[in-house]
Amino acid sequence: DILLTQSPSSLSASVGDRVTISCRASQYIDTFLNWYQHKPGGAPKLVIYGTSSLQGGLPSRFSGSGSGTDFILTISSLQPEDFATYYCQQTYNSLWTFGPGTKVEV
Amino acid sequence: EVQLVQSGGGLVQPGGSLRLSCAASGFTFRSYWMTWVRQAPGKGLEWVANIKQDGSEKYYVDSVKGRFTISRDNARNSLYLQMNSLRAEDTAVYYCARVSFNVDIGTHDYWGQGTLVTVSS
Repeated sequence: DILLTQSPSSLSASVGDRVTISCRASQYIDTFLNWYQHKPGGAPKLVIYGTSSLQGGLPSRFSGSGSGTDFILTISSLQPEDFATYYCQQTYNSLWTFGPGTKVEV
Repeated sequence: EVQLVQSGGGLVQPGGSLRLSCAASGFTFRSYWMTWVRQAPGKGLEWVANIKQDGSEKYYVDSVKGRFTISRDNARNSLYLQMNSLRAEDTAVYYCARVSFNVDIGTHDYWGQGTLVTVSS
């Protein structure tokens, strides 16, 4: 199975900060890497797909980069509605996996 | 509007069974792979299973293989998860989600509201 690790596991930030979250895969996954935002009590929301493509309707302050085994999610200027847990996910093979999550808090 | 409405969660004893349902509307259900994802209390998201449009391919996370069965009824626009031999560690909120492929990259683009399954005596 392909394992994903994320760092940090949590971070404290303020409105307006630039935030970066890392995701590392245990083996090569090309660009088959997605990012989801999840808030308590709600359903997860797709933010970035295919490493760097922004899901429709989402603000351009979200961006993604990377390839192979190392990936980054960047929020260029954190907004109040961005406080949530972020998960990376690989869909490279038939058995999909999520990373353990990164909680972005005040 | 795409909607996925879930039902069937609840409290079940260890070793028991439960079936989750997910009713889809607002899109051509038979044209999409579908999936189940879960989140145990205080834990992260875990992909559980995928099913192809016609049900001919199914994939499971190792921890549920042989105990859970994903299925669908395209005539009823419904997705199911039959859960047998339930364990305490299966306690979680279960989400159904639609799978979309963007340039061959699978994503979960629409999600159900989630349903809580509690396995406890």
